[in-house]
Amino acid sequence: AQSVTQLGSHVSVSEGALVLLRCNYSSSVPPYLFWYVQYPNQGLQLLLKYTSAATLVKGINGFEAEFKKSETSFHLTKPSAHMSDAAEYFCVSGGYNKLIFGAGTRLAVHP
Amino acid sequence: DTEVTQTPKHLVMGMTNKKSLKCEQHMGHRAMYWYKQKAKKPPELMFVYSYEKLSINESVPSRFSPECPNSSLLNLHLHALQPEDSALYLCASSQAHQETQYFGPGTRLLVL
Repeated sequence: AQSVTQLGSHVSVSEGALVLLRCNYSSSVPPYLFWYVQYPNQGLQLLLKYTSAATLVKGINGFEAEFKKSETSFHLTKPSAHMSDAAEYFCVSGGYNKLIFGAGTRLAVHP
Repeated sequence: DTEVTQTPKHLVMGMTNKKSLKCEQHMGHRAMYWYKQKAKKPPELMFVYSYEKLSINESVPSRFSPECPNSSLLNLHLHALQPEDSALYLCASSQAHQETQYFGPGTRLLVL
């Protein structure tokens, strides 16, 4: 069965520091993978998606993610954190019938 | 435009009330979804409509009744809910089933 594991339920960084949110997936076939962000009291916003066209995927707000098949990983990065990046981030796999969500990582950004 | 709208934003209802949540998209998407999200948890799929027909029901209690009047609208009718049904209810749509999903802002429901 497909699954998505996000390492670290909480990540805290300083403003201007590198953001790294980790995601590993399990799948017997090349997956569709997404990163969604959820700001407090809001819905989910698509950050980026991987569809096998390129292993390095650029998204909105300066985020990018790299698909590494050998490591079954799809980690999300941003070179310099901003206070407005504080939110919940979900790594998601496109399953055959439905999305498979990771448990989420709450990103805190402090001055 | 990738906007999905949901009304109301907030809803408080008693256990004997009947209410409805509404979702609308004008992107020409043919698949629409209802999710339930409890605090500090990822969304859980409830229903999937594909081409206006219910294609997936994730064993949701009958007190939740979905309806898809047309390709742009999705309703969730609520009746005799329990306090544990309090949650954020999210609607999403996609070009077709299994395509990228775009989410609405959600309705925060409180059942007293």
